[in-house]
Amino acid sequence: GAVVSQHPSRVICKSGTSVKIECRSLDFQATTMFWYRQFPKQSLMLMATSNEGSKATYEQGVEKDKFLINHASLTLSTLTVTSAHPEDSSFYICSATEEGQGVLGGTQYFGPGTRLTVL
Amino acid sequence: DAKTTQPNSMESNEEEPVHLPCNHSTISGTDYIHWYRQLPSQGPEYVIHGLTSNVNNRMASLAIAEDRKSSTLILHRATLRDAAVYYCILRDLNRDDKIIFGKGTRLHILP
Repeated sequence: GAVVSQHPSRVICKSGTSVKIECRSLDFQATTMFWYRQFPKQSLMLMATSNEGSKATYEQGVEKDKFLINHASLTLSTLTVTSAHPEDSSFYICSATEEGQGVLGGTQYFGPGTRLTVL
Repeated sequence: DAKTTQPNSMESNEEEPVHLPCNHSTISGTDYIHWYRQLPSQGPEYVIHGLTSNVNNRMASLAIAEDRKSSTLILHRATLRDAAVYYCILRDLNRDDKIIFGKGTRLHILP
């Protein structure tokens, strides 16, 4: 099946620094990718929809200036957490749908996640 | 979006079948029923999906009620590696592609 990778898998940073997380679809093209955040013992929370070649669509309550999303190609989306603070510590997960499948029962493929710890 | 209701947690013995229920009484005619699962410290993975008919794949079976207001994910022979949170999700044919996760069912497998 299709594979989505994330890099890095784990990152620790100091408060006030920015962190970039990459999400790649390895063997398929994805016009749309999604970014989620998950706190311990909680469900995944959708942050934004990343569209190739256009601006991301953010969910209500997610600060677009803090969580910068760039989807420069059909296989790569990046999430940058700017001026990170301890409350941004979380598990960040991306997903992608294979081009052409759409929502007609199409499967979403999830990355393995990136654990961010802000000191 | 149509909502799903799942038990918070379930337990099962290893090597026995597991039936994970999901209620979706407000399902619309264009909603597919999807199941994903999330193993500890990993991203979710697709398990199975269906529209009206029961479905089988190598991971599980999906039994859909005739009125489509409920469904059951069936793991035929649970192993310790099946311990995960299982999410039942409705996805509309005509809407965008995003998935909104509920709380899911945390499945514990007893050795």
